Amino acid sequence: QVQLVESGGGVVQPGRSLRLSCAASGFIFTTYGMHWVRQSPGKGLEWVAVIWYDGSEKYYADSVKGRFTISRDDSKSTLYLQMNSLRVEDTAIYYCARGGSETHGICSLWGQGTLVTVSS
Amino acid sequence: DTVMTQSPDSLAVSLGERATINCKSSQSVLYSSNNKNALSWYQQKPGQPPKLLIYWASTRESGVPDRFSGSGSGTDFTLTISSLQAEDVAIYYCHQYYTTPWTFGQGTKVEIK
Repeated sequence: QVQLVESGGGVVQPGRSLRLSCAASGFIFTTYGMHWVRQSPGKGLEWVAVIWYDGSEKYYADSVKGRFTISRDDSKSTLYLQMNSLRVEDTAIYYCARGGSETHGICSLWGQGTLVTVSS
Repeated sequence: DTVMTQSPDSLAVSLGERATINCKSSQSVLYSSNNKNALSWYQQKPGQPPKLLIYWASTRESGVPDRFSGSGSGTDFTLTISSLQAEDVAIYYCHQYYTTPWTFGQGTKVEIK
């Protein structure tokens, strides 16, 4: 079954760290770029980060640059998002998404998301 | 950053009627190398993750009903639902992947009149 399953969300205090994971199955993980996209409660979508299929390129939204790090472990078909120096405004559902076969830019498959709440 | 502006913010359409959503980017998203527009559309129903509908501005994703179509080039794009069905009630987002940071529009909520 082709799917993405996120984990690692929870409640964390401002300034602390959290690592999200996204387990991929049912497709060849190493042939796809992977994204993180977030959605604050009741708000729209915000693209967060992307990593190329081979890990050679990584790009970030300005709002998380320098604080978040995207990475992948191809041996485990797993995507990660290390989130440091968390802020209240980072509160959101975090979705991982698979890139497209023609371009890294699209999000062709989405997970159900994991909720991160940053609060004191 | 490339700003994506959708209009309207919401619209109500009768079943079987046409729904049209516009998306304008603050800069062109047309790749000169392949003459394709790096613009996609997503549908998000309540309580669900988004779903890819259209990419390269007009290419329908596999399995997406043909009542959904995308058009436009450069900075102005349109998503059209030719005959609105009850299951199309959702929020629709445009997204540019021409230049990082990739950005989404604010979303357009489609309801039944």
